[in-house]
Amino acid sequence: EDKVVQSPLSLVVHEGDTVTLNCSYEVTNFRSLLWYKQEKKAPTFLFMLTSSGIEKKSGRLSSILDKKELSSILNITATQTGDSAIYLCAVPIYNQGGKLIFGQGTELSVKP
Amino acid sequence: GAGVSQTPSNKVTEKGKYVELRCDPISGHTALYWYRQSLGQGPEFLIYFQGTGAADDSGLPNDRFFAVRPEGSVSTLKIQRTERGDSAVYLCASSLARGDGYTFGSGTRLTVV
Repeated sequence: EDKVVQSPLSLVVHEGDTVTLNCSYEVTNFRSLLWYKQEKKAPTFLFMLTSSGIEKKSGRLSSILDKKELSSILNITATQTGDSAIYLCAVPIYNQGGKLIFGQGTELSVKP
Repeated sequence: GAGVSQTPSNKVTEKGKYVELRCDPISGHTALYWYRQSLGQGPEFLIYFQGTGAADDSGLPNDRFFAVRPEGSVSTLKIQRTERGDSAVYLCASSLARGDGYTFGSGTRLTVV
């Protein structure tokens, strides 16, 4: 059965800290992994990773995929209170219409 | 439209009632997905439409749940005889082609009392 697992489930840090969120997957016919940020209700797209070892970066956020370890990490440096959200990792199942299998999410809380 | 629109944004209903949740995808997006997100969990797949047809409804929890997309655009998720366990955020996403560039709506928070 296809599975995506995230850790930690929740995290509390102070502004300025650096955080690392983890995502591991067991998926047949793996092609890509997606990271989303969810504030309130709508998940918003952060990164799509397809190649192992190539870092994707956007401002203070970066992410990398390790296909050998079947995992990905999302790093946030110099955290701000606006980074408080749930971070979701998902893998599309392309031979099942591209439906997404999500992890449980990591709830990040950044204190001032 | 510019984004995926879901209505209503919030719905409170009594146990046993029937509800309809609407999703209006991005114009031209042929693939449409429904997910359900319970508190403290990631979204779980319910059903996928390619055009007008339900290509995969394996995630629907039971026969009280049904979804349609009659003209290949707007989709409606229908829940009969609602139960308290149906309380969740229902998310809709669309994409131009399957597995490519999903855009999520803001969701409908359903509360069954």
